[in-house]
Amino acid sequence: DAGVTQSPTHLIKTRGQQVTLRCSPISGHKSVSWYQQVLGQGPQFIFQYYEKEERGRGNFPDRFSARQFPNYSSELNVNALLLGDSALYLCASSLSGFNQPQHFGDGTRLSIL
Amino acid sequence: QQQVKQSPQSLIVQKGGISIINCAYENTAFDYFPWYQQFPGKGPALLIAIRPDVSEKKEGRFTISFNKSAKQFSLHIMDSQPGDSATYFCAAPSWTSGSRLTFGEGTQLTVNP
Repeated sequence: DAGVTQSPTHLIKTRGQQVTLRCSPISGHKSVSWYQQVLGQGPQFIFQYYEKEERGRGNFPDRFSARQFPNYSSELNVNALLLGDSALYLCASSLSGFNQPQHFGDGTRLSIL
Repeated sequence: QQQVKQSPQSLIVQKGGISIINCAYENTAFDYFPWYQQFPGKGPALLIAIRPDVSEKKEGRFTISFNKSAKQFSLHIMDSQPGDSATYFCAAPSWTSGSRLTFGEGTQLTVNP
């Protein structure tokens, strides 16, 4: 079975631009969460979506937004990119998102110049 | 707001030795505590998880010990192998959401042959 897939794997942007990252969950999983992992640190929670509704939001500015589609795939959008947004963006899926194992993809490495 | 403190930051053991990584968390209303293993260039992979209705869970060479009253849990890797060399993260659910994980800062494990 396919795991969580994310695209693109790498992305280079300049300050002020906008970016869209994509995630396809494991088949049958209805919850998707997004995390940001800065080099040398643990992942930090950004958003959780379940059944196409936002169920949680971390301490990130409004420049970050996300949505979940009827097929449970998800997009993370970041506007007005800053140098500090350079990180590995991880998507995790789980069956229901509540007290369930979360399985991560390999992430999108975003570099801001 | 959940905080997770993980130690040590780095660990070097000899092949065949025991690796021990410790984590402490604050309050949570939920009961799912996972450990993740991350190799360079990859996303975190779920290694083992525990629900605190048991004090210990073993899967192969990996064991989680859980002390609910002390709000601490630890990962033991028996018979450590060079292939175990990776970064390990513990995680705990937030106070308000079982699906929102707070990660420790990570432990970089090196197993020498």
